[in-house]
Amino acid sequence: AQSVTQLGSHVSVSEGALVLLRCNYSSSVPPYLFWYVQYPNQGLQLLLKYTSAATLVKGINGFEAEFKKSETSFHLTKPSAHMSDAAEYFCAVTSGGSNYKLTFGKGTLLTVNP
Amino acid sequence: DADVTQTPRNRITKTGKRIMLECSQTKGHDRMYWYRQDPGLGLRLIYYSFDVKDINKGEISDGYSVSRQAQAKFSLSLESAIPNQTALYFCATSGYSDRDPDTQYFGPGTRLTVL
Repeated sequence: AQSVTQLGSHVSVSEGALVLLRCNYSSSVPPYLFWYVQYPNQGLQLLLKYTSAATLVKGINGFEAEFKKSETSFHLTKPSAHMSDAAEYFCAVTSGGSNYKLTFGKGTLLTVNP
Repeated sequence: DADVTQTPRNRITKTGKRIMLECSQTKGHDRMYWYRQDPGLGLRLIYYSFDVKDINKGEISDGYSVSRQAQAKFSLSLESAIPNQTALYFCATSGYSDRDPDTQYFGPGTRLTVL
């Protein structure tokens, strides 16, 4: 079984401040982990993914995430928030290989204040 | 043009009506998925298909059915719509033979309202 917990359904930051969105996972096998972003009235877009290579993963738009096995975490960060980062962010886990099943967290809505 | 398209983008219907949501993809992927998004609940898998002859139920398939008409087309039907099926529906694809088989690519979504 696999699951994802995103801590904080709503995070608010000021423009230029650090963005930290938390994700913890549970998986009985080594996981593959994903962050997706959903802008208003749009579908989900892949930000970045971890698939057992480097533990620090860089994605699009200046985001990065670090896989920490000991903490079962995959937190998403960005050093300096921009107004255009306002969106909903979803963490997801799968066990990779031939496993189809992508399990999503409930999402974190990021608000960026001027 | 978008790789994964969904029609319609918005639909309002009444309780008891039959509704079909359509998904088409030009990515050449063999796997297709239907998800439902509800506020505060994230995305939940309704059905998935690994190829034209393979259809599988997801975690919330009750009240829904699907049809895989071709590798590129995957339709979701609500046989008799009810208000608690009001949600945002997403189609997604992934390619088993892709260099990146685990990544799913999403369509823009269909917002369905059942009155």
